[in-house]
Amino acid sequence: LAKTTQPISMDSYEGQEVNITCSHNNIATNDYITWYQQFPSQGPRFIIQGYKTKVTNEVASLFIPADRKSSTLSLPRVSLSDTAVYYCLVVPLNTDKLIFGTGTRLQVFP
Amino acid sequence: EPEVTQTPSHQVTQMGQEVILRCVPISNHLYFYWYRQILGQKVEFLVSFYNNEISEKSEIFDDQFSVERPDGSNFTLKIRSTKLEDSAMYFCASTPGQFSNAETQYFGPGTRLLVL
Repeated sequence: LAKTTQPISMDSYEGQEVNITCSHNNIATNDYITWYQQFPSQGPRFIIQGYKTKVTNEVASLFIPADRKSSTLSLPRVSLSDTAVYYCLVVPLNTDKLIFGTGTRLQVFP
Repeated sequence: EPEVTQTPSHQVTQMGQEVILRCVPISNHLYFYWYRQILGQKVEFLVSFYNNEISEKSEIFDDQFSVERPDGSNFTLKIRSTKLEDSAMYFCASTPGQFSNAETQYFGPGTRLLVL
């Protein structure tokens, strides 16, 4: 399984755009890049998933360069409620389990 | 929106006691999972379950652990003889299809287990 590396923590202010970058140098051809969010004392919640280029949903955007060795989660105009831990996962298609890293702890200030 | 539910939300037990953690997956889902998260640490995969049998289990899931789907709705994790190091948040998750992918794993709110 490809290892992921992401910053341990980030700080932001309300209304700013936040970009969290994850590196996954050993990503395999059939791996997808997936991001989860976890609030304190809650279960992880799926945010977005992509294979290459750009994916956007109502919550975030995911940018994946052509070599797929990194990815960037973009959260537009964060609010205090976006304070959470964000996990980047590399997930093989048709897998049975998720392997979580330590994630990035995002703190949003007023 | 349908959701995975877990009971109890908190459980305190004495070392050596048996505990059963309960989960109700989303109703049309077919794959079920247990994960755990020790305080301040990563979320760790324990076991996956499909068609009334274990699909995969991690090294953590030793003989003290068992899973069961006793009826059409509940999915349980049993720890036979709890140890101090079993203290953690336990999350249940489920996915709709036969072949899961990360997009469709829905997690419950967790059960916080404290072993004294």
